[in-house]
Amino acid sequence: NAGVTQTPKFQVLKTGQSMTLQCAQDMNHEYMSWYRQDPGMGLRLIHYSVGAGITDQGEVPNGYNVSRSTTEDFPLRLLSAAPSQTSVYFCASSYRGADEKLFFGSGTQLSVL
Amino acid sequence: SQKIEQNSEALNIQEGKTATLTCNYTNYSPAYLQWYRQDPGRGPVFLLLIRENEKEKRKERLKVTFDTTLKQSLFHITASQPADSATYLCALGSDYKLSFGAGTTVTVRA
Repeated sequence: NAGVTQTPKFQVLKTGQSMTLQCAQDMNHEYMSWYRQDPGMGLRLIHYSVGAGITDQGEVPNGYNVSRSTTEDFPLRLLSAAPSQTSVYFCASSYRGADEKLFFGSGTQLSVL
Repeated sequence: SQKIEQNSEALNIQEGKTATLTCNYTNYSPAYLQWYRQDPGRGPVFLLLIRENEKEKRKERLKVTFDTTLKQSLFHITASQPADSATYLCALGSDYKLSFGAGTTVTVRA
């Protein structure tokens, strides 16, 4: 099992560009989520999904879109990147929900210039 | 709004001693609390989960307590080792949302 795989590991964007951060898991987990981590702050929940076709907003959803067409994949889209979106992004999954052990990916470091 | 506070300063301890980390929260009634370890450049790794109706959980050299009256969790690493050096994150949750503290960095010196 590969666990939770995130791509790319590093990305540099210009303000206004769009891109998609990829997240895939091979553990047949129903619950998947996206967090951003900024220095001195805790991980903040962006969006989450409790199963294919079901997504919901977290604490900081503005500027981000998600979809969940399959159990395995949960991509995060930045529609028009802003410098405030410079951060490290983590994808996490669990079998059923956030009240279980979360498995995290290795992260994507995003810089928006 | 809800607030989660962990030890604001890094913790430096000698090998073999017990490290005690604090997680305090306000304006929140979590149904469960989790602790994670994070090494530089890596994603967090799950350590322990404790639910609101539980007082204490143990796993090998790790112990976590959860006091819903004090709104506080304590995380203990006994017989600490240099390999325990990392940042430790507490996370509080209800429903499908998990909120994290900023973390406490622990350095264990030999």
